[in-house]
Amino acid sequence: DAGVTQSPTHLIKTRGQQVTLRCSPISGHKSVSWYQQVLGQGPQFIFQYYEKEERGRGNFPDRFSARQFPNYSSELNVNALLLGDSALYLCASSFDSGSYEQYFGPGTRLTVT
Amino acid sequence: DAKTTQPPSMDCAEGRAANLPCNHSTISGNEYVYWYRQIHSQGPQYIIHGLKNNETNEMASLIITEDRKSSTLILPHATLRDTAVYYCIVRGNFGNEKLTFGTGTRLTIIP
Repeated sequence: DAGVTQSPTHLIKTRGQQVTLRCSPISGHKSVSWYQQVLGQGPQFIFQYYEKEERGRGNFPDRFSARQFPNYSSELNVNALLLGDSALYLCASSFDSGSYEQYFGPGTRLTVT
Repeated sequence: DAKTTQPPSMDCAEGRAANLPCNHSTISGNEYVYWYRQIHSQGPQYIIHGLKNNETNEMASLIITEDRKSSTLILPHATLRDTAVYYCIVRGNFGNEKLTFGTGTRLTIIP
């Protein structure tokens, strides 16, 4: 079975632009979470969605938004990009919101210049 | 979520057991201890989790002290492919899946 997939793999944007990152969970998984990982640090929680509803939000500004579609795939949007938004953005899926294991995708490397 | 403390780096000889410690002195009674690892340029990978009892799976063993204030992840026969950053995470299980990662332990397996 395919694991969690994310697109694009790499992305370069300019300050002030907007970006959309995409995630497809493992087949049958209904929960998707997003994390940001800045170089040299551990991943930081951004959002969790379950059955298309937001279940959790981390300490990120309103420039960050997300949604989950009926097929359980998800998009993360970041508006008005700042240099500090440069990071690896990770998507994780799990069967439901109470699952012990989360399965992470390979991430999208975003560079803001 | 309770915080964890891990050494920033460790080395281990190939074929030997790697023992990675973690302190979580403020853990509450209904919080689990999780271990994930992140190999360079990949997403984190779940290893194991436990509540009170020691746990073992095909990847590793988890030893939790009786007072639950610390734990040790054991990789019984380390290989070069085990070189990674290992994260110890404490998390409840109430339907909120947030994982709070620290900076982890960078484990290097020496040939």
